[in-house]
Order: sequence, then structure tokens, then C-alpha cells
Amino acid sequence: GIQVEQSPPDLILQEGANSTLRCNFSDSVNNLQWFHQNPWGQLINLFYIPSGTKQNGRLSATTVATERYSLLYISSSQTTDSGVYFCAVPTTDSWGKLQFGAGTQVVVTP
Amino acid sequence: NAGVTQTPKFRILKIGQSMTLQCAQDMNHNYMYWYRQDPGMGLKLIYYSVGAGITDKGEVPNGYNVSRSTTEDFPLRLELAAPSQTSVYFCASSYTHNSDTQYFGPGTRLTVL
Repeated sequence: GIQVEQSPPDLILQEGANSTLRCNFSDSVNNLQWFHQNPWGQLINLFYIPSGTKQNGRLSATTVATERYSLLYISSSQTTDSGVYFCAVPTTDSWGKLQFGAGTQVVVTP
Repeated sequence: NAGVTQTPKFRILKIGQSMTLQCAQDMNHNYMYWYRQDPGMGLKLIYYSVGAGITDKGEVPNGYNVSRSTTEDFPLRLELAAPSQTSVYFCASSYTHNSDTQYFGPGTRLTVL
């Protein structure tokens, strides 16, 4: 099945810093989603981004489908950005099933 | 819209007990999914459904059963609970497959002792 790798596994940021999270996937996909899991466990969908670039406030994402990777940018980080960021892509056998990466744990310190 | 709702939020079971995790969505989504998340890991798919009356196994279905009698509800049944089923369970839904966002419920934290 499709493999999804995220890097780095852990990231510690000082408030106000910028960062880039990466998601590599092993096969062609027609969609990719980024999620944020907050410290209370809630999963929030950040972006649905099969290709191109999208922005939502201080967060933006870029997917280069031909090169099989996606990047999530966090600018001017805040303590509320802490949590785990997951990327997920559809499994190759369709039906909308998602294959998740292992996540990047982000801690933003004041 | 309430979105995707799950009950209970927390549960402790003894080994061998059974229980049903409830999931409901009010967005008229056809596709529904059950995932489990073990500590420090990503999510793994347990079962999914593409519409009322249609379900299929995901990556880790052993020890679980599902049913989908209505579009709104997708309960997950645990029979003979085992410590290996200690996890956080998430239900999700989407309107279509592959080209649509999945929306997640708040999760159920289950501990089996």
C-alpha cells in the first residue's frame, strides 16, 4: 500500500518562529489532507490540497503531486499551534480510506 | 449542524466485556469510517461504510464489528474486549470518496483493564 512519511517527527518552536513540515508519499494521489490534533485530542481538518498552494491565516500548504510531497508552513507560531500535525492520502484501493502519516509533534513555547 | 458526534467520551472496560461505540453525523454523508489511534501513532482504519447497508473491513478489523442501518449512524461493536484494544477511537464521514474532506468526531478514549 501507499506509504506516508512525515518529517521532522518532533519540533520545538519559540513563539513567533516560522516552520515547515513535510509529507512525502510513495504513490500518485488525487488528494491530500492536513490535520491538526490539538492537545485535547480533537482532530481538525486544516487543508484539503491535492495540488497547488492554499493559505488559511498563518498556515499555508503546498502540494507538488508530481514530486509526491506536500509542505505545511506555520508562520509567526503561537502556543495554540501546539499539537500533532498529520498528513493523510487516499489508499490506492479507493473508497476514500485515508492512510495517515505518523505525524509531527509541535510544541510552541512562550 | 452538529457534525460528527461520538458517545461515550471515555470508557473503562474489563477484559472480556463488550460495548458499542456510537457515531452519528447530520451532514447527509454517504461515507463513514472508524479509526483507532494508539499512543504516539497515526490513525489506522478499522471499518468503513459507503452507504446504508454496506460496510467493509479496513486495516485492523479483528475484534470489531459494525453495522450501517441508516445514513446517519455507524456504531462500532467491541466483542470480548482485550487490553490491545485500549486506544482512542475516531469516527469520520465524508460526502464522497477521494475528492472530499473527511470530518472527524471528538473521539472515544477506551481503556481495557
